Amino acid sequence: GENVEQHPSTLSVQEGDSAVIKCTYSDSASNYFPWYKQELGKGPQLIIDIRSNVGEKKDQRIAVTLNKTAKHFSLHITETQPEDSAVYFCAAWNTGNQFYFGTGTSLTVIP
Amino acid sequence: TAGITQAPTSQILAAGRSMTLRCTQDMRHNAMYWYRQDLGLGLRLIHYSNTAGTTGKGEVPDGYSVSRANTDDFPLTLASAVPSQTSVYFCASRRAGTGELFFGEGSRLTVL
Repeated sequence: GENVEQHPSTLSVQEGDSAVIKCTYSDSASNYFPWYKQELGKGPQLIIDIRSNVGEKKDQRIAVTLNKTAKHFSLHITETQPEDSAVYFCAAWNTGNQFYFGTGTSLTVIP
Repeated sequence: TAGITQAPTSQILAAGRSMTLRCTQDMRHNAMYWYRQDLGLGLRLIHYSNTAGTTGKGEVPDGYSVSRANTDDFPLTLASAVPSQTSVYFCASRRAGTGELFFGEGSRLTVL
């Protein structure tokens, strides 16, 4: 089955700096890679996603890149703000019954 | 729009007791999922349902059962709770034709 690894597990950045979270996956059949943000006491919420036929996708301050050959994808947050502080999860999906999630990255943005 | 509603928000349960976590959605999504979230382990799939009347086992199904009598409701039952089932449980649904998951706010369960 699929195995998704996520690094780092914790990340602290100064407000205004950039944050990068990286994930690797093992199953070449995976073709959809979402990123979820989970605030304290809440459920995860989709913030950006990318499909395997695209190399990069941007939405304002967040972007995701995908390297299918190396089987890794990354989340980039620029100009970080305190409200970006949360736990971020990557996931991989092959349109089957199961999404495979990374173990999460706790991001703290220091004002 | 409410989206996914889970109940209860939190519960303390004695080991050996049974418990049903409720999940209701108002988006008419066919696919629904139950995950448990444990520190350092991320989200692990317990059971899923692709459509009303069908269910399937996920990665960690032992000790749990689900039913899907209609599109909107997807309850998760612990027949005889054990302390290792202490966790935060999330129900989710998937928008048809996409991989986008919508999560509820979670149910925190403590088994003593």
